[in-house]
Amino acid sequence: AQKVTQAQTEISVVEKEDVTLDCVYETRDTTYYLFWYKQPPSGELVFLIRRNSFDEQNEISGRYSWNFQKSTSSFNFTITASQVVDSAVYFCALPYSSASKIIFGSGTRLSIRP
Amino acid sequence: EPEVTQTPSHQVTQMGQEVILRCVPISNHLYFYWYRQILGQKVEFLVSFYNNEISEKSEIFDDQFSVERPDGSNFTLKIRSTKLEDSAMYFCATKQDSLNTGELFFGEGSRLTVL
Repeated sequence: AQKVTQAQTEISVVEKEDVTLDCVYETRDTTYYLFWYKQPPSGELVFLIRRNSFDEQNEISGRYSWNFQKSTSSFNFTITASQVVDSAVYFCALPYSSASKIIFGSGTRLSIRP
Repeated sequence: EPEVTQTPSHQVTQMGQEVILRCVPISNHLYFYWYRQILGQKVEFLVSFYNNEISEKSEIFDDQFSVERPDGSNFTLKIRSTKLEDSAMYFCATKQDSLNTGELFFGEGSRLTVL
């Protein structure tokens, strides 16, 4: 079955600390994509990254980086030198192969304290 | 940058009333979705729509819900007789193709409050 688990419900750190959000997934597909979305306090869902299961290289975009490890079925997200504006709920997501919808993890609420 | 537009941003309604939420998809996208997020909870799939018919629906999407694309542009979600538990943020999302490679583009959501 397709499943996404985000075990960390809430994380609170002080500004400028590094923080890692965990995502563990289950899929029956041999090739697949994974996504991260951000939901700021304003409520919209903002796409952050898409990752192909063929490519296990770490991805870095500014202060954001993603570590994809197929062996442990994990797709973790790290924010370096966190800022207050990073405060949001972050969702990891996985396509549900039968209908091309995506399913979301339960989200991790990240609070960055000044 | 093209975006998905949803209206209204917030609607308050009385229990038992009909509600229609509207979405304008990105113009070259072919796959449309509605998701729901009850306050503080996860984002849940409701229904997917392609070629003017429902592709898949979740168990949440019961007979009180319907979707259509009446004029080829707007994609609507109708709740026939709202219940208190329908209070949630409703997100429209669109995708260009059927492949699992593409991300869904989400609108900013329509917050529904049922009193």
